[in-house]
Parts: sequence; C-alpha cells; structure tokens
Amino acid sequence: EIVLTQSPATLSLSPGERATLSCRASQSVSSYLAWYQQKPGQAPRLLIYDASNRATGIPARFSGSGSGTDFTLTISSLDPEDFAVYYCHQRTNWPLTFGGGTKVEI
Amino acid sequence: EVQLVESGGGLVQPGGSLRLSCAASGFIFSTYDMHWVRQATGKGLEWVSGISTTADTHYPGSVKGRFTISRQNAKNSLYLQMNSLRAGDTAVYYCVRSYYYMDVWGKGTTVTVSS
Repeated sequence: EIVLTQSPATLSLSPGERATLSCRASQSVSSYLAWYQQKPGQAPRLLIYDASNRATGIPARFSGSGSGTDFTLTISSLDPEDFAVYYCHQRTNWPLTFGGGTKVEI
Repeated sequence: EVQLVESGGGLVQPGGSLRLSCAASGFIFSTYDMHWVRQATGKGLEWVSGISTTADTHYPGSVKGRFTISRQNAKNSLYLQMNSLRAGDTAVYYCVRSYYYMDVWGKGTTVTVSS
C-alpha cells in the first residue's frame, strides 16, 4: 500500500498570504496524484489532478507541482474561502489512498 | 446537473448488515468508474471500494470479504452491501464518480455501528 504523508498537519496563515502544502508518497506514484479541498460539512472537491492540472472551475491561485514521491500544493494568495482541509490522493496502485490532510486555518 | 444521491445509511448493531445505494443523474453512468469513500467524524478520507465500467471490483484490506460493491447501469445506480459491520465502520459514506480521478462526490450518507 502506498502511504501518503502530508505536512504540516495544520497551517496557520492570514488572508493574502501564500500557502505551501506538502505530500510525500512512500513509493513513486509518477504524476498520478490529485489534491482535494474539503470544507466543514461538505464533500471533498477536486482541485488538482495529474499533479499539476487544475480541475474545471478551480481558480488560478491554486497550483500543483511534483512527481515521483514529492508533491506540493500552492495557494498563491489565500482567499477567506480557502480556509479548509486539503487532501492528496494517489491512483497509481490499489488500494487507492489518501493523505491524512492539512488544515489551513486563520 | 451532475448529481449523486446516497441513501440507506442508519444505525446498525455490530455484526449487522446494511446496503447503501447511490442514484446518479446528469451523466452517462455506464461510462464512469465509481467508488465509495468514507470519513469518520473528525478523521480523514478512506477509500472503501471501487467498480469499473466493466464491473471489475477492488477493495482495501480493511473491508475485503465484508463489503461488496455493485452497479446497475440500467437504473443508474451504485450499491454497497456491508456485512459483519464493526464500530470502526462508523462514518459518512460518499458515492464518488471517477474518470481517472474522483471528480464528482455525493453529499454522503451516515452509517453508525453501535449496540
């Protein structure tokens, strides 16, 4: 099983600041990694797929990078609506797995 | 509008069974892989099963042999039969559409396993 480790667990920032979230895989997932955003009481929303491609309707302030085992989600300038939990996810191997999440809080 | 609506959640005793359903609309259901993903209160996301367009199924070790995913394309429906339920299966269960990635999620149905 591919284990995804996200860091930090919590990121305390202010609106307008830059957020950098990390996801490390226990073995290579090539570029088959996605990022999801989840707000309280809501289902997750796909932000980034194939490590660096924004999903439909996702603002340009969200960007993803990386390949192999190390990946980064960057939010260039935090909007108040961006405070949420972010999960990475790999689809390279069964079982599909998610990281433990990073909470971006004010 | 693309939509997934889960149903069938509830309270069940340990060792009991429950069948979840997911009604899909707004897209050609038969052309997408589908999954169930769960989330315990205050915890992260856990994938619990997936089924391809050709009905190939996959499960993690935590539910293999206890859960069965199935689909009925004629009814645009996805199912999850859950047997031998444990307290650790308590969670919100999401029905999820996938085209390489999980791009559409339902609102979830809550399963509580408790005596």
